[in-house]
Amino acid sequence: QKEVEQNSGPLSVPEGAIASLNCTYSDRGSQSFFWYRQYSGKSPELIMFIYSNGDKEDGRFTAQLNKASQYVSLLIRDSQPSDSATYLCAVNGAGSYQLTFGKGTKLSVIP
Amino acid sequence: GAVVSQHPSRVICKSGTSVKIECRSLDFQATTMFWYRQFPKQSLMLMATSNEGSKATYEQGVEKDKFLINHASLTLSTLTVTSAHPEDSSFYICSAIGGQGATDTQYFGPGTRLTVL
Repeated sequence: QKEVEQNSGPLSVPEGAIASLNCTYSDRGSQSFFWYRQYSGKSPELIMFIYSNGDKEDGRFTAQLNKASQYVSLLIRDSQPSDSATYLCAVNGAGSYQLTFGKGTKLSVIP
Repeated sequence: GAVVSQHPSRVICKSGTSVKIECRSLDFQATTMFWYRQFPKQSLMLMATSNEGSKATYEQGVEKDKFLINHASLTLSTLTVTSAHPEDSSFYICSAIGGQGATDTQYFGPGTRLTVL
């Protein structure tokens, strides 16, 4: 069974700090990796996707992928109170459009 | 763009009635749409995968006769909760594939909050 594990948190960081969110997955054949942000009572919003090992940067966000370790992370630089949300890691496998979601990490950025 | 809309955003109904939820891709053709359900403080649970013109594929434990899915066009999928009961109260979210970015990226609609009295 495919599994995606995340620390549920809450992860508290001060405003301006770097928030580091981690995710591991069980299916070694996974091809695509996504980070979504979900505010309370709202639907998930795509932040980034990453396919290849290494880092991918988009503004204040950096996704990191290490397929050998089956590990994907999201770094948020200069964290803002508006970044406070639950961050969902999602993974899909080769030839599949279905996503397996982690349970999410709740991030709280303290002003 | 990759905008997905849902209608209605919120619905309250009496037990035993049926409720239809629409999911539309506004600026792209969605080859595949997904329906999820999310209970409070829990993660997303995939209910079914919907491809235009074919029958939906339901996840284990999801009753296909209770949750009717129709994907009539490349921009519209509907979920009908038949004979709704209080335990069906949940946040229903659709997603679609086919927008900008990677071809396997799911873009989510804003969700429909269903309350069954």
